[in-house]
Amino acid sequence: ETGVTQTPRHLVMGMTNKKSLKCEQHLGHNAMYWYKQSAKKPLELMFVYSLEERVENNSVPSRFSPECPNSSHLFLHLHTLQPEDSALYLCASSPRTAPYGYTFGSGTRLTVV
Amino acid sequence: KNQVEQSPQSLIILEGKNCTLQCNYTVSPFSNLRWYKQDTGRGPVSLTIMTFSENTKSNGRYTATLDADTKQSSLHITASQLSDSASYICVVSADPAGTALIFGKGTTLSVSS
Repeated sequence: ETGVTQTPRHLVMGMTNKKSLKCEQHLGHNAMYWYKQSAKKPLELMFVYSLEERVENNSVPSRFSPECPNSSHLFLHLHTLQPEDSALYLCASSPRTAPYGYTFGSGTRLTVV
Repeated sequence: KNQVEQSPQSLIILEGKNCTLQCNYTVSPFSNLRWYKQDTGRGPVSLTIMTFSENTKSNGRYTATLDADTKQSSLHITASQLSDSASYICVVSADPAGTALIFGKGTTLSVSS
């Protein structure tokens, strides 16, 4: 394990469902990130939280809603998704002030049917 | 436009052989360059991080080089093993903490026996 834990590892949901992805880190990091990884494409940064405040939102559709209740936990709430949203969703955390220690979780494989 | 280009897109080598993966970038400003290894269905794991002043860094059988003048980097894998089969991603950061990471699409390496 990397120190960043994501649950669930796999998720299949219908387009009308509401689900949440969870990310947890106990590395003492104060920045957390959500990424989307689709086949044959580079990782796409979705959201950045620094000290529990959202500092970046890369034009992500409103059907994705992040939540960061504290520095150790990050959620991604999903509703009315589309099939093209099927991808690997990766969470990462970092110390925010240094390049070392940027750590990814193992991801949630999401399939929208 | 900030971009990271990797070549080749995919590579197949025999176990025990060496290989070199390439990364060219046009990111500005430049803070550091990272190489990650990503196993199928898992999150990326850091191999090396190099700042502007570093031109080589090793991590076991992995050796990364950086030429900041030509904006090129390479990852050399020595005496490949079956477990080296993965996607190798080059990532350039425009800031020290990594909140502005530019990802390449990766090179998929397959090591066969």
